[in-house]
Amino acid sequence: QVQLVQSGPEVKKPGASVKVSCKASGYTFTTYGITWVRQAPGQGPEWMGWISAYNSDTNYAEKFQDRVTMTTDTSTSTAYMELKSLTSDDTAVYYCARAATISQTIWYHYGIDVWGHGTTVTVSS
Amino acid sequence: EIVLTQSPGTLSLSPGERATLSCRASQSVSSSYLAWYQQKSGQAPRLLIYGASKRATGIPDRFSGRGSGTDFTLTISRLEPEDFAVYYCQQNGGSPWTFGQGTRVEIK
Repeated sequence: QVQLVQSGPEVKKPGASVKVSCKASGYTFTTYGITWVRQAPGQGPEWMGWISAYNSDTNYAEKFQDRVTMTTDTSTSTAYMELKSLTSDDTAVYYCARAATISQTIWYHYGIDVWGHGTTVTVSS
Repeated sequence: EIVLTQSPGTLSLSPGERATLSCRASQSVSSSYLAWYQQKSGQAPRLLIYGASKRATGIPDRFSGRGSGTDFTLTISRLEPEDFAVYYCQQNGGSPWTFGQGTRVEIK
């Protein structure tokens, strides 16, 4: 079945970086994009950015532009999200999710249809 | 940035009743890029509706979506016990992609 399996919980100190992985299975990884969404405690989802697993094109939210890097490894069907210079405001559950599919160079959007289980990142001194 | 405003914040209803949730965008959103999600406590969001009105795979037909431009609606025709949750609208017609603040549907 189609699924995204994320890496385990992380505890980081302010100023550190975190890298979350997201391994895809059950579909052709390179024909979809992966988006990253975070959710702080008691808050709604917040979009961080999107990466094409087809050609690694990225679209980052301006809020995270200077601190986030999204990458993919097509040999292992894994996406990564690295966030630097962490503060307590970055404490949240981080989700990877599948979004948009490409066919003959055209991207089609059918909602964010498959979600990982989430990775809890806690930033505390 | 396209701001999505959902109303009401909380909807208190009984099982079997009809729920109508609203999502208003600060500027026009193509229907192709408007989606609705359900989220239960401790779980990831679940896609219900994409393209404003198309049900995602496996979603019961009691869920329906409609709307265009700046006004979109999610309707749950007859609430089942498992439908009590938080619902979010989301757009990716413009960058950044944005979510509404959510509507909580609670048991009355």
